[in-house]
Amino acid sequence: DTEVTQTPKHLVMGMTNKKSLKCEQHMGHRAMYWYKQKAKKPPELMFVYSYEKLSINESVPSRFSPECPNSSLLNLHLHALQPEDSALYLCASSPSASSYNEQFFGPGTRLTVL
Amino acid sequence: AQSVTQPDIHITVSEGASLELRCNYSYGATPYLFWYVQSPGQGLQLLLKYFSGDTLVQGIKGFEAEFKRSQSSFNLRKPSVHWSDAAEYFCAVGPRDTGRRALTFGSGTRLQVQP
Repeated sequence: DTEVTQTPKHLVMGMTNKKSLKCEQHMGHRAMYWYKQKAKKPPELMFVYSYEKLSINESVPSRFSPECPNSSLLNLHLHALQPEDSALYLCASSPSASSYNEQFFGPGTRLTVL
Repeated sequence: AQSVTQPDIHITVSEGASLELRCNYSYGATPYLFWYVQSPGQGLQLLLKYFSGDTLVQGIKGFEAEFKRSQSSFNLRKPSVHWSDAAEYFCAVGPRDTGRRALTFGSGTRLQVQP
């Protein structure tokens, strides 16, 4: 199984809602990532988890809260988002957090904040 | 400062024509180099990567890339483009040192293929 799955595929939420994005991989990878991608832009790194511990937080606002409950799962909890947070949210995994590793990407969650 | 530049925002080629997408980087030491492809509404897929050794790297889907240290470049090539190659292409670099261990992506090149 070389797939990273993400749910939901699409999400529309109001600025007062709380929602969560989920990511799962069963490749035995020990590093997992959240990226944000705006239209016609490259992915921007948000968070990196290495061995279920947060190792990189790219100064992301606290309305985004990551969680890594185990080595296969990665969540992104959303609360009080702004319309400018609308984007494609991509999850990725790699065997370790070393930069020579290929990252395997999920298809993303398309988030719209009203 | 470390950076990755893809000078071409948008390229259009005819089906069957050859393709070259440019990528230049600015790093203290030669980083790990990657090319990823993203089809509309999809995640990214690795095409190929360079770590060391042979400077001509073969990838999936008939793509290859050449690392040129003197030019700090890692250009992607394909001898004959297919309509299914229409997508966004991202060059990415990863540092070899033990500091920040995350990829930096270029701004991307959108490839359009004409019949």
